[in-house]
Formats: sequence, C-alpha cells, structure tokens
Amino acid sequence: DIQLTQSPSFLSASVGDRVTITCRASQGISSYLAWYQQKPEKAPKLLIYAASTLQSGVPSRFSGSGSGPEFTLTISSLQPEDFATYYCQQLNSYPLTFGGGTKVEIK
Amino acid sequence: EVQLLESGGGLVQPGGSLRLSCAASGFTFSDFSLAWVRQAPGKGLEWVSAIGGSGGGPQYADSVKGRFTISRDNSKNTLSLQMNSLRAEDTAVYYCAKCSGSCYSGAFDFWGQGTLVTVSS
Repeated sequence: DIQLTQSPSFLSASVGDRVTITCRASQGISSYLAWYQQKPEKAPKLLIYAASTLQSGVPSRFSGSGSGPEFTLTISSLQPEDFATYYCQQLNSYPLTFGGGTKVEIK
Repeated sequence: EVQLLESGGGLVQPGGSLRLSCAASGFTFSDFSLAWVRQAPGKGLEWVSAIGGSGGGPQYADSVKGRFTISRDNSKNTLSLQMNSLRAEDTAVYYCAKCSGSCYSGAFDFWGQGTLVTVSS
C-alpha cells in the first residue's frame, strides 16, 4: 500500500500568511494526487486534482505542485474561511489512501 | 446540481449488520464511479470501497474486505454498502463520494453529508 505522509500535522497561522503543506508518497504515484479541505462537521471538499489542477469554483489563492514523491499545497494569502483541515489523497493505485491531515488554525 | 444523500446509519451491536444507501442526482449516474469513505470520531479520512459506473471492478480496503459489499442500482441512481460482522472500529461517519470519471486516476469531486454508524453494545 502507498503511504502518504503529510507535514506539518498542525499549523498556526495568521490571516494573510502564505501557507505550505507537504505530502510525501512512499512510492511513485505519477501526478495522481488530490487535495481536500474539511471544515468541522462538514464533508470534505475537493480543492486540487492531478497534483496541480484547480477544481472549478476554488479560489485561485490555492495551488498545488509536485510530481512525486513530494507534493505541496500552497495558500498564497490565508483567509478566515481557510481555517480547516487539509488532506492529500493518492489515486494512483488501490487502496486509495489519504494523508493524515493538516489542521490549520488561527494564530 | 450534484447531490448525494446518504441514509441507513445508526446504532448496531458488534457482529451485526447495516446497509447504507446513497441517493444521487444531478449527473448521469452510470457514467461515474462512486466510492465510500469513512471518518472515525476525531480521526482522518479512510477510503473504504469503490465501484465502477457499470457496477464492475469493486475494490475494498483490507480493513473491510470480506465483510462489506458495495453495489449500485443504475436504474434507481442509488449506491449501497452492505456492512456485515460489524466491529467497534467500524464506528465512523460514512461518506458517499462521486468520482470524476474513474476513481482510479481521478478525484472525489462531490461528497454527501455523511451518515453516522455506531457499533456498540
């Protein structure tokens, strides 16, 4: 199984900060990586797929990069509504694994 | 507008069974693979199972293989998850998710609101 290691697991930041979250895959996954945002008591929301393609309707301050084994999600200027938990997911092979999550909180 | 509405969650004793359903609308149901993802209380996301648009190629996480069965009824736009031999560690919110085409090499582009399954005596 492919393991995804996210770092950091917790991040404290201020509105306007540039934030970067890293996801490292234990094996090659090409560019089959997605990023999701989840707010408390809500379902996850797709932000980025194919490592760097912005899902329709997602603000352009979100961006993804990388091609294995390390991928990054960047929020260029953190907004109040961005405080949430972020997960990466590999879709290269079954089982389709998720990273452990990164919780972004207000400093 | 894509909508996914899960139902069937509840309290069940260890060793018991439960069947979850996901009613879908707003897209051509048979054209897309679908998946179940769960989240234990206070924990991260765990992929559970996926199925192709025609119902073929079901895949399962090792943690549920042999106990859970995924199926779909394309005439009713409904996805199901039959859960047998339930264990305490199956306690979680279960989400239905639509894949952007195939789940493999795609992404989970729409999610339901989730249904809570609690396994406890």
